[in-house]
Amino acid sequence: AQSVTQLDSQVPVFEEAPVELRCNYSSSVSVYLFWYVQYPNQGLQLLLKYLSGSTLVESINGFEAEFNKSQTSFHLRKPSVHISDTAEYFCAVSERNTGFQKLVFGTGTRLLVSP
Amino acid sequence: DTGVSQDPRHKITKRGQNVTFRCDPISEHNRLYWYRQTLGQGPEFLTYFQNEAQLEKSRLLSDRFSAERPKGSFSTLEIQRTEQGDSAMYLCASSLARDPQGNQPQHFGDGTRLSIL
Repeated sequence: AQSVTQLDSQVPVFEEAPVELRCNYSSSVSVYLFWYVQYPNQGLQLLLKYLSGSTLVESINGFEAEFNKSQTSFHLRKPSVHISDTAEYFCAVSERNTGFQKLVFGTGTRLLVSP
Repeated sequence: DTGVSQDPRHKITKRGQNVTFRCDPISEHNRLYWYRQTLGQGPEFLTYFQNEAQLEKSRLLSDRFSAERPKGSFSTLEIQRTEQGDSAMYLCASSLARDPQGNQPQHFGDGTRLSIL
């Protein structure tokens, strides 16, 4: 079984400041890793994913995440945040080679960007 | 690509009533998933379909819950004899699996928020 820990329930930050949202996972097998973003009263949108290859993955809106196998982490970073980045961010894992992609989510981190 | 559509967006009902939600996946997607999200938590997996076959059910899905995907297209999730604890956001997602180990990302709908009075 897998589990995901997002230690920070809320991260307040000023606009244009850098931010890091932490994600650690536990699994006895290899996993795929994902970050999803959820805006109020909406579903989840895929932000970025790690499937294989380069351990640093980037999204189109400036976020990046790095897979660290030894530390079982997949932290999300952005060098300069915007007001519009205010949302809930969920880290998720799915087991490789299961034949389907049941996602196991963390409890989420609310990013609050203020002017 | 019209995205995953869920109906209704909000449902308020009295305890003990039955409710049914509908999910229309992205048209070419052969996999469909249901998740439940309670306040302050991440989504939790409920069940999964590959075409019309329901291949996995979570232990969270009690016998009051039933899901169908009759023609491998849209899906319904029914909750019978609703309880206070059923209040949550019910999310549907779909993906395209081109092979058994397919790893195409899941696309989520906006969810149905259920409130039990």
